[in-house]
Amino acid sequence: DAKTTQPNSMESNEEEPVHLPCNHSTISGTDYIHWYRQLPSQGPEYVIHGLTSNVNNRMASLAIAEDRKSSTLILHRATLRDAAVYYCILRDVGAGSGAGSYQLTFGKGTKLSVIP
Amino acid sequence: DSGVTQTPKHLITATGQRVTLRCSPRSGDLSVYWYQQSLDQGLQFLIQYYNGEERAKGNILERFSAQQFPDLHSELNLSSLELGDSALYFCASSVGTVQETQYFGPGTRLLVL
Repeated sequence: DAKTTQPNSMESNEEEPVHLPCNHSTISGTDYIHWYRQLPSQGPEYVIHGLTSNVNNRMASLAIAEDRKSSTLILHRATLRDAAVYYCILRDVGAGSGAGSYQLTFGKGTKLSVIP
Repeated sequence: DSGVTQTPKHLITATGQRVTLRCSPRSGDLSVYWYQQSLDQGLQFLIQYYNGEERAKGNILERFSAQQFPDLHSELNLSSLELGDSALYFCASSVGTVQETQYFGPGTRLLVL
């Protein structure tokens, strides 16, 4: 899997928007960009994913640069519950064959702290 | 609640012992993944099963083994335990296709003394 680079930590005030950056300069054309987060003492949970176009869901938005070498996860209004480690992960849809043979490769992620 | 269940939640054992961790995937999911999370190594993929068959192997030690049963639940067996095996072990499941979201269980915290 291609490598991603994220800041180790970020802080945000509660109810403010948060922009979590991810660099993936070696991304290939078949790599999807996935974001997962891990709240304290819990397993990781899916946040959002995309390929080329910006994506929105009820949890967040994903903004993908035109050259796809970077992306930004946007939390529109941070709450205390959003304090977690956020992982940016590339998944190659073109690798291998068969169904379901693609594990997630986690880096160190960004630890987001939300200040009340 | 992700729909993935793991038992036990906590496990304390001694070096040299053997333990079995159990995972029940979400209803309808055919793939089960095992991950290990330790302080120094972070979250690492161990092994994946798809519909009863081993599909992919990651950084799994030879002392560790897993299987997926016909009812799709999975077990991770850890033997000859060492202090360094102390970690959180997560199970995840997905329907099975490449881009399917993986849903993680709450994990089993293993402490080897």
